[in-house]
Amino acid sequence: NAGVMQNPRHLVRRRGQEARLRCSPMKGHSHVYWYRQLPEEGLKFMVYLQKENIIDESGMPKERFSAEFPKEGPSILRIQQVVRGDSAAYFCASSPIRGANGNTIYFGEGSWLTVV
Amino acid sequence: KQEVTQIPAALSVPEGENLVLNCSFTDSAIYNLQWFRQDPGKGLTSLLLIQSSQREQTSGRLNASLDKSSGRSTLYIAASQPGDSATYLCAGEGSQGNLIFGKGTKLSVKP
Repeated sequence: NAGVMQNPRHLVRRRGQEARLRCSPMKGHSHVYWYRQLPEEGLKFMVYLQKENIIDESGMPKERFSAEFPKEGPSILRIQQVVRGDSAAYFCASSPIRGANGNTIYFGEGSWLTVV
Repeated sequence: KQEVTQIPAALSVPEGENLVLNCSFTDSAIYNLQWFRQDPGKGLTSLLLIQSSQREQTSGRLNASLDKSSGRSTLYIAASQPGDSATYLCAGEGSQGNLIFGKGTKLSVKP
């Protein structure tokens, strides 16, 4: 059973370009979370999705950021018109049911975005 | 608003020492509390999950406790080894299942 798969692992974008980060949850997991880890900062929750639904996006910046989890395929975190402050590690996590609720939540290896 | 604080921010110990990492949270209405390990440039590995109705969990040389009334959790590592060197993260679960993380304690165990 493969773990949570994220790609790309490393991504370099120029200011103003778009960044697309992909996450395939563990098999059987229908709940996906995205977190961002800025340099020297803790991980911050961004968005919680189930298949075809955004459940909680309270941690998403209001502009330029969007997320989806289609019926088929991976979850996508999309950042439009990137700025240097978007440089961070973006982690995806998945779980089989809502929240941890006693079930361990599994994290991917992260996608490191560098904006130059 | 839930906030999670971890003390100390960094810790360096000689191999073989027992050590305690501390985590405090402001809202006692957390659902669960998890401890993770993060190696440089890597993702997070779950170490221990304490459900809200539990007081502690143990796995090998690790023991984590949870005291919701005082808003504290501790991670105890026995007989530390150089391979334990990593950043340890504490996270409380919010109402939607999202995790609220502390900034972590960076542990270095010297041979």
